[in-house]
Amino acid sequence: AQSVTQLGSHVSVSEGALVLLRCNYSSSVPPYLFWYVQYPNQGLQLLLKYTSAATLVKGINGFEAEFKKSETSFHLTKPSAHMSDAAEYFCAVTVPGGADGLTFGKGTHLIIQP
Amino acid sequence: SQTIHQWPATLVQPVGSPLSLECTVEGTSNPNLYWYRQAAGRGLQLLFYSVGIGQISSEVPQNLSASRPQDRQFILSSKKLLLSDSGFYLCAWTKARSYGYTFGSGTRLTVV
Repeated sequence: AQSVTQLGSHVSVSEGALVLLRCNYSSSVPPYLFWYVQYPNQGLQLLLKYTSAATLVKGINGFEAEFKKSETSFHLTKPSAHMSDAAEYFCAVTVPGGADGLTFGKGTHLIIQP
Repeated sequence: SQTIHQWPATLVQPVGSPLSLECTVEGTSNPNLYWYRQAAGRGLQLLFYSVGIGQISSEVPQNLSASRPQDRQFILSSKKLLLSDSGFYLCAWTKARSYGYTFGSGTRLTVV
């Protein structure tokens, strides 16, 4: 079975500062990894995904993530935070084959300070 | 393009009442369909998934059931709601895992 650990249930950064949200995964086979964003009372929106192609993945809204197999990590970054980035962020894992769903981390609430 | 619809958006139901939440996908065929629940402090929990009409896999034992009467329709039901059934219910679909999973806008259920 796969699992995901997101370090930090809350992360606070100043507007214009670097955003770094941490995600570590556990999987016995090469994984697929995803980052989703959730605004209050809304569904989840896919930010980016890693599916065994390039290890540096670029997503929407200026976010990117790097898959590091040696560190079993898939951290999400953005060079300059905007107020509109304030939301809940979820890292998720699955593996090729089968049909069962994503396994999610517990989420990180990103707070942007003006 | 593909779209996913969930309704209702919000629901307040008394304990012991029945429940029916509906999810439909447009613009694709034979999707894999999923129901998740998001409860405060508990993250996202996979409840059911389906790979085809009438095929339901349950991930956790609970007071809920799911059905897929048509290819692009997924229904979450309960005969008698419990207080612990309160939460935010999300439907999702995918054609293949590598494509990612697309989520609906969710239903906020409050059992009183």
